[in-house]
Amino acid sequence: EVQLVQSGAEVKKPGESLKISCKGSGYSFTSYWIGWVRQMPGKGLEWMGIIYPGDSDTRYSPSFQGQVTISADKSISTAYLQWSSLKASDTAMYYCARGFYSSSLGYYFDYWGQGTLVTVSS
Amino acid sequence: SYELTQPPSVSVSPGQTARITCSGDALPKQYAYWYQQKPGQAPVLVIYKDSERPSGIPERFSGSSSGTTVTLTISGVQAEDEADYYCQSADSSGTVVFGGGTKLTVL
Repeated sequence: EVQLVQSGAEVKKPGESLKISCKGSGYSFTSYWIGWVRQMPGKGLEWMGIIYPGDSDTRYSPSFQGQVTISADKSISTAYLQWSSLKASDTAMYYCARGFYSSSLGYYFDYWGQGTLVTVSS
Repeated sequence: SYELTQPPSVSVSPGQTARITCSGDALPKQYAYWYQQKPGQAPVLVIYKDSERPSGIPERFSGSSSGTTVTLTISGVQAEDEADYYCQSADSSGTVVFGGGTKLTVL
């Protein structure tokens, strides 16, 4: 069974750093992309970026380029999303999702993690 | 930046057919995908490649494409189908884009 299990909820102060995780199981972790999606309170889904753990090829949405860092450790089947200096506007639910890509299909996400709620407040 | 446009809300009575549209200039060249998100839950893929249904998704969910518009159709809507629905595609550079979402209300 394919599973993506994300790390638990976080409460941080503005300016602090944070790294959240997404552990994949039940499939070949290095053969699929892992994408990250933000959902601010009461709002829609926003694509942040995606990584291919097999070779660490990483792509970012222009809206999030330079704001976050996506990485992966294939030895432990885990992808990460990190911030160096959080802002109150980073308060949101963050989802990881297994991504499939081909030149003909583009990207899509067939399995999702349960989400990690990040709250940034002074 | 590229946008996918969805109606904010759609309402139907149980047993009727719900149609949710998604419009975007690149849709004739890029496939569309649909996700269902119920309150407090992660999104679930319900349609891929414009009209294909993943295993485990009820047959009442279908998708279609015509020009710059794709449509998610839910036939014989049930109370459990009440959720937010998001379309997803890509722009010409391959950047992933989500529509703004449509809240389906089952009256």
